[in-house]
Amino acid sequence: EVQLLESGGGLVQPGGSLRLSCAASGFTFSSYAMSWVRQAPGKGLEWVSGISSSGDATYYADSVKGRFTISRDTSKNTLYLQMNSLRAGDTAVYYCAKGGISWGGFDSWGQGTLVTVSS
Amino acid sequence: DIQMTQSPSSLSASVGDRVTITCRASQGIRNDLGWYQQKPGKAPKRLIYAASSLQSGVPSRFSGSGSGTEFTLTISSLQPEDFATYYCLQHNSYPFTFGPGTKVDIK
Repeated sequence: EVQLLESGGGLVQPGGSLRLSCAASGFTFSSYAMSWVRQAPGKGLEWVSGISSSGDATYYADSVKGRFTISRDTSKNTLYLQMNSLRAGDTAVYYCAKGGISWGGFDSWGQGTLVTVSS
Repeated sequence: DIQMTQSPSSLSASVGDRVTITCRASQGIRNDLGWYQQKPGKAPKRLIYAASSLQSGVPSRFSGSGSGTEFTLTISSLQPEDFATYYCLQHNSYPFTFGPGTKVDIK
């Protein structure tokens, strides 16, 4: 059974940093692209960032480009999102999701972790 | 970037009704579209991939159609557990984009 478990969310001040993790199990992590998707309170889904199965290619939404960095550690079966220069508008539940272009989108999602940016 | 629109933004329906939701892409995306269901406080769940393929374990009352720029999700006979918000997602190219969502509630 595929499991994706996010962690690292919390309260952070504007301008601060946070690193999210997503521990993957139940599938061959190194074979799949992965993404982060967020949802601000009461709003819709927003794709944030994606990474290829090998980790060689990364992609970002314009709203986070230059501030967020996606990475993966195959030895730990873990996906990361380093978030810097956080703004109030980054407040959201962050989900990791398995899949990408070649996998018909996202077939599995984590339960999400809440990031709150506030002073 | 590819923009996605959805209609309607919300609808009220009764159990047993046939429901249709439309998603349009700003440019052609072949059949690189999925439909997701989300209930309050829960992660999204994929219902349809490749525009018309039913995700394993999803009831057959859900179906998808379309290609290019126009896509449709149909629920043939709405059930109580189907009241939720539905999103389309284009995964033809990065950045991926979701539609704004359609909230289906009880009439």
